[in-house]
Amino acid sequence: DQQVKQNSPSLSVQEGRISILNCDYTNSMFDYFLWYKKYPAEGPTFLISISSIKDKNEDGRFTVFLNKSAKHLSLHIVPSQPGDSAVYFCAASSPTRDDKIIFGKGTRLHILP
Amino acid sequence: KAGVTQTPRYLIKTRGQQVTLSCSPISGHRSVSWYQQTPGQGLQFLFEYFSETQRNKGNFPGRFSGRQFSNSRSEMNVSTLELGDSALYLCASSGVPGTEAFFGQGTRLTVV
Repeated sequence: DQQVKQNSPSLSVQEGRISILNCDYTNSMFDYFLWYKKYPAEGPTFLISISSIKDKNEDGRFTVFLNKSAKHLSLHIVPSQPGDSAVYFCAASSPTRDDKIIFGKGTRLHILP
Repeated sequence: KAGVTQTPRYLIKTRGQQVTLSCSPISGHRSVSWYQQTPGQGLQFLFEYFSETQRNKGNFPGRFSGRQFSNSRSEMNVSTLELGDSALYLCASSGVPGTEAFFGQGTRLTVV
């Protein structure tokens, strides 16, 4: 049973435009959410996180939005840059109950020149 | 501050052999998690250790095992290797379990 779902395997966005990556989760116990970026042959790099007490968190060009009622979160990258081309993983956890972080299957983002 | 270090980076083994992978977490981090990444499957959780205790285990067969030492370094072992075990094995450490985890570069295991 896939608890964290990234339904778009890939996404292409023009350089300078907004990239929106989506993620859905099924476990209502999750209360902490994270986004990671991964280049080939490297480990994932932490980008940004959000706790369920918030609905938005910003860090530079990256903003994560959380809609708890829809069990949906999204990562916005504005403006998109060539170096943003990578695989993005959404992840979720419940730190007060359980330590494990569950990851989605990832979305490959291509930034087009 | 040194990051998460995984050794070796690359490994080729034969079916039926066993393998041990090593992970040194960020200094001060006591939580270490292991993940398997295969094409199309994302990062699948293997297990998580905190203060030498396994606190969580994913849905992997008993051939996959791990341990954590008193200095927080961790090892994972896979016995009786199968072709399907070929994957990138990633280790991550956290200061607060279940929150931001920082990954090593991974060990690429190829089983032939």
